[in-house]
Amino acid sequence: RKEVEQDPGPFNVPEGATVAFNCTYSNSASQSFFWYRQDCRKEPKLLMSVYSSGNEDGRFTAQLNRASQYISLLIRDSKLSDSATYLCVVNEDSGAGSYQLTFGKGTKLSVIP
Amino acid sequence: NAGVTQTPKFRILKIGQSMTLQCAQDMNHNYMYWYRQDPGMGLKLIYYSVGAGITDKGEVPNGYNVSRSTTEDFPLRLELAAPSQTSVYFCASSYRGGSSYNSPLHFGNGTRLTVT
Repeated sequence: RKEVEQDPGPFNVPEGATVAFNCTYSNSASQSFFWYRQDCRKEPKLLMSVYSSGNEDGRFTAQLNRASQYISLLIRDSKLSDSATYLCVVNEDSGAGSYQLTFGKGTKLSVIP
Repeated sequence: NAGVTQTPKFRILKIGQSMTLQCAQDMNHNYMYWYRQDPGMGLKLIYYSVGAGITDKGEVPNGYNVSRSTTEDFPLRLELAAPSQTSVYFCASSYRGGSSYNSPLHFGNGTRLTVT
């Protein structure tokens, strides 16, 4: 059974802090990886994809460790507007075209003034 | 360009009632999905479609049905509502399948359903 595990938090951090989330996945055949952001009572939205070599988008850095089967998200210089739940999302190549993504339960971040 | 539109936003059903959750997208996406999200839980895939006339079961299809007669619309039908179907339902679409790095999922605003 495919599983994606995340620390649910909440992570309460002051503005300007650096915070990191990890996510582990159970299926070594997993092919693509994403972080989605979900604000309270809103729909999820793509934050960033996670590439094998790691990637950065402004204050956000995502990394993939295939050997240990985890992905991470690092947020630098936290802003109040970063407060949200961060969803780890993993796709497994089913071989017949892959349309099913497995979502983690999410990690809640609260940035405090 | 409205994106993905879901209706209704909220609904309360009695046990045994039926209803259809509507979902429409105007981005000409082939792939459409229905997820449910229970409190503190990850999104679970109910059904998905890779194009008009084609649908397939996801992880939790029991108690639901779908149809895809057009590219734009992907309604979700609950035939005999049960308390276990109390949840937030999200419809999503993507251009090439949400697993593609260049084709993220676009979600609707969600439908909050309570079955009592």
